[in-house]
Amino acid sequence: EPEVTQTPSHQVTQMGQEVILRCVPISNHLYFYWYRQILGQKVEFLVSFYNNEISEKSEIFDDQFSVERPDGSNFTLKIRSTKLEDSAMYFCASSEGHFYNSPLHFGNGTRLTVT
Amino acid sequence: SQQGEEDPQALSIQEGENATMNCSYKTSINNLQWYRQNSGRGLVHLILIRSNEREKHSGRLRVTLDTSKKSSSLLITASRAADTASYFCATDGSGNAGGTSYGKLTFGQGTILTVHP
Repeated sequence: EPEVTQTPSHQVTQMGQEVILRCVPISNHLYFYWYRQILGQKVEFLVSFYNNEISEKSEIFDDQFSVERPDGSNFTLKIRSTKLEDSAMYFCASSEGHFYNSPLHFGNGTRLTVT
Repeated sequence: SQQGEEDPQALSIQEGENATMNCSYKTSINNLQWYRQNSGRGLVHLILIRSNEREKHSGRLRVTLDTSKKSSSLLITASRAADTASYFCATDGSGNAGGTSYGKLTFGQGTILTVHP
């Protein structure tokens, strides 16, 4: 069964550094998402992406965050200057159609540790 | 407002028993979804139920939705040790009627289910 893959599985970075988290969504999916889960807390929406542009973003997704689909397969999340509070598990997801009708398929996540 | 709050927070049962988890939400929805998460892994979609549906089945899973009470339940019948995981409900962020969301699922805190062999 096709799946969403994320790399790396674990990323350690120093505060203030830039990180890029990478995702390969399922190939025929059209909608892409990033969510994050701080340890012990709820899964939180960051951003949705469709037709090469951001569809919706949360208040967490400030100017430090950006997303890109640089080619036909990858979907990346960049954090320009990481803060300690950015430490979390970051999940990429994709869906075939609009999420009103199509379930989200999640990757296994990238654990980001900011020191 | 908080969407998708599950109860109980933790549930411990024996293999073969049924497990019921509940979810409440506060605003109008287009659909409600249930996901499962094994420790340290991604979320796996279980069932999507639309606001005009009342019940849905998938294998040993049964989901009900009561939009008048703004609540949903997930029943796992004849549980197995492999069902041990966290279970989350998630609602779309459409908010009040006429609102539009483009991918913001709001997850609850989840129910940690432990099934003892």
